[in-house]
Amino acid sequence: AQKITQTQPGMFVQEKEAVTLDCTYDTSDQSYGLFWYKQPSSGEMIFLIYQGSYDEQNATEGRYSLNFQKARKSANLVISASQLGDSAMYFCAMREGGMEYGNKLVFGAGTILRVKS
Amino acid sequence: KAGVTQTPRYLIKTRGQQVTLSCSPISGHRSVSWYQQTPGQGLQFLFEYFSETQRNKGNFPGRFSGRQFSNSRSEMNVSTLELGDSALYLCASSQNGFLAFFGQGTRLTVV
Repeated sequence: AQKITQTQPGMFVQEKEAVTLDCTYDTSDQSYGLFWYKQPSSGEMIFLIYQGSYDEQNATEGRYSLNFQKARKSANLVISASQLGDSAMYFCAMREGGMEYGNKLVFGAGTILRVKS
Repeated sequence: KAGVTQTPRYLIKTRGQQVTLSCSPISGHRSVSWYQQTPGQGLQFLFEYFSETQRNKGNFPGRFSGRQFSNSRSEMNVSTLELGDSALYLCASSQNGFLAFFGQGTRLTVV
């Protein structure tokens, strides 16, 4: 069975500093995809970054990078130079199987990030 | 390009009633997925439709159903509403199996 674990219910970070949000996953599939989303209080899910299981390089998107450690089954999100607007709930999610199998994602419980000025 | 549009944004229903939620995907996207978000259970996958066919299904009772039309718009229906169905229902659309676009959600309250 799939499982995503986010062990940090809440995190604080000082503005302009970097922060790492943890995510570990469990799957027996060789092909899978890992996603990070941001959910502000408005409720909309905003896609941040994606890592495929066969991708050799860690994914990066602007201030977001994904620290992918396949052997440890971890996919931590690193946000550099935190901004006040980064305060939100962050979810890690996994799609088991390749993209051709569709869009059934399993989500972690989320981490609330608060950026302090 | 317009984003994923969900209507209505807010809904209040009484136990036992039924409800229909609508999702219009981004133009050209053929896949629409639905998720339920509650404080207790978190985000859970309901179902996915691709080219008018249900491609994946989550572990929800038969009271939850959906469909997709030829223009890729999707609806989900919940019959015989229960208090526990109160949730934020999120819809996402995809063109190539890459789930990057979600709607703003429909917040359903069952009283």
